[in-house]
Formats: sequence, C-alpha cells, structure tokens
Amino acid sequence: ETGVTQTPRHLVMGMTNKKSLKCEQHLGHNAMYWYKQSAKKPLELMFVYNFKEQTENNSVPSRFSPECPNSSHLFLHLHTLQPEDSALYLCASSQEVGELFFGEGSRLTVL
Amino acid sequence: QKEVEQNSGPLSVPEGAIASLNCTYSDRGSQSFFWYRQYSGKSPELIMFIYSNGDKEDGRFTAQLNKASQYVSLLIRDSQPSDSATYLCAVNRAGNMLTFGGGTRLMVKP
Repeated sequence: ETGVTQTPRHLVMGMTNKKSLKCEQHLGHNAMYWYKQSAKKPLELMFVYNFKEQTENNSVPSRFSPECPNSSHLFLHLHTLQPEDSALYLCASSQEVGELFFGEGSRLTVL
Repeated sequence: QKEVEQNSGPLSVPEGAIASLNCTYSDRGSQSFFWYRQYSGKSPELIMFIYSNGDKEDGRFTAQLNKASQYVSLLIRDSQPSDSATYLCAVNRAGNMLTFGGGTRLMVKP
C-alpha cells in the first residue's frame, strides 16, 4: 500500500454509538492530522500529531478523541456524536510544514 | 473577518485561457502559502507553495505572493477542462497549523 489510507470510507452511526476512524500513512512522515470537511465550510483542522505527540487541538469537542500509537497510525474515536458532526473526515500526513498528503477520507453520517 | 478568504465562484474560463484565482489572508505573521486542488469527490492535493514575495512558476501554474497586501494568487495558463476543480488556498502562520480558505470552484469550458 502507498500514500495515506483511511478506513472505513463510509460510516453511518447513531448518536449513542461508539466508532473509530483509522488512518495509516506509508510515506515515512513525522506529522499526522485530522481535518473535518463540511458542505459550504472551509477545511477545519482538528488535531495535529508530531512524532506521536499531540501538538494541536483546535478546540474540538471531547466527543472526538484522537489516538496516535506510532508515527504511522492515527485514530479518531467517536462517541455520542450529533447530526451536525456528519461530514467528511480527512487524515493527512506531512514531512514539511504545509505540504500535506491527504487520504481519501471517511464520510460520516450521524443519524 | 475570515482568516483566509476566497471567492467561492464558480469561475468560468474558456479552454486555453488564463485562470486567475485569488486569496487574501488576515494574519500579517503568516509565513508560507499553499495551493491545493480538490476534484469533486476526491481529497485535496498540493499543487504549489510559495514563501517569498514575487512569482513562482511550475509548468502551467504560477503562484504570486504580495505580503504587504496580504494577497496570494494562482494563475493557470492554457487552462484545460481537466483543470476544472475547487482550488483551496492555505496559509501557515506557525507550527503545523494550516488554515484553509473556502475554495474557488473553477470551470474550464471546452
């Protein structure tokens, strides 16, 4: 596998469910990111990890919980989400600041 | 005021013309500037970055930066229908935080 892979590509969950999004990068990068993309809104940075350490948390609600066990893997744990959390969640990695490589995204629908 | 502003478009240009995409940013401390292209249903991909005032050319693409005016632009020469996409401007002030604009949708008509 190459690049940045995200699973699942599509996820439907109820507000009381707990689910996780997974991201894996095969590029040897040292930084990984979660972004949220909603209709008619700019890409929103959620979390940044550098060498497994969280360096940015962009005021994200606690119902989103990131986990970075190593520099190649990133998870986003989801619980008690709201319908307005329905969006495309994009994982990215980078070696240089700003030069992001994105995965294909996980399309989340909260019922 | 939005941190990074772009006209949402759509910007429609005929095939072979020059497409000019513009972006303004609010933070004077911004240090580096990026253009991403996002095809419908796909994730963004980096096409250019610029750090210094002036022009930077890469093939049919030219990025222009004017820090005094807090303005960055992307020119696409000889536009092709395959250039039809949403173009996202992104700005880095410090650390790993990249702030994106809302994007400009470009349509190149054959």
